[in-house]
Amino acid sequence: DGGITQSPKYLFRKEGQNVTLSCEQNLNHDAMYWYRQDPGQGLRLIYYSQIVNDFQKGDIAEGYSVSREKKESFPLTVTSAQKNPTAFYLCASSAGTGEHEQYFGPGTRLTVT
Amino acid sequence: GENVEQHPSTLSVQEGDSAVIKCTYSDSASNYFPWYKQELGKRPQLIIDIRSNVGEKKDQRIAVTLNKTAKHFSLHITETQPEDSAVYFCAASIPPQGGSEKLVFGKGTKLTVNP
Repeated sequence: DGGITQSPKYLFRKEGQNVTLSCEQNLNHDAMYWYRQDPGQGLRLIYYSQIVNDFQKGDIAEGYSVSREKKESFPLTVTSAQKNPTAFYLCASSAGTGEHEQYFGPGTRLTVT
Repeated sequence: GENVEQHPSTLSVQEGDSAVIKCTYSDSASNYFPWYKQELGKRPQLIIDIRSNVGEKKDQRIAVTLNKTAKHFSLHITETQPEDSAVYFCAASIPPQGGSEKLVFGKGTKLTVNP
């Protein structure tokens, strides 16, 4: 559990502002993921990264951007183009292909007004 | 793409009874099926998983069954306890297609165990 962290726990922004959510892991995992969780919608994949300097769009990438400059870090930027940004955001990591268990961070609840 | 359907969306049982949650998937190439438990205000955690080369797996009071022909898998919890109350998510893997392997999650089942 303590191997993957997200900050902050709660985040408030005004409409039209970009905001960056932090995700760090010390599990030496190659793969990292960003999910969005809305009530009754399960976990929907935004972006994922298998290795440093490479990432792929998930099912709901529009309005989001990511970077993977370091193995330990996978920050998510919620841009002003995201129409409904208020949600609970979960980051996860896994050891990579062949090692499927995903370890989740504690999440960041973003509220945009 | 892969679609994972999960039923029921809510389930209420009496303490000591069994609970069953069912999921279906669409991609016959999926070969890994984990179940995650998310307690209120906490992160999802893996509770059990199954791979396509087995039909059933047990871990104390929880078990998962897989029917690859019918493309469905189920979570079984026996002798339920109040601490089993949580939201449970099933998921199915999508093999790499020019990218990385990823999971598709069901929408979740809120299980309530009444004392």
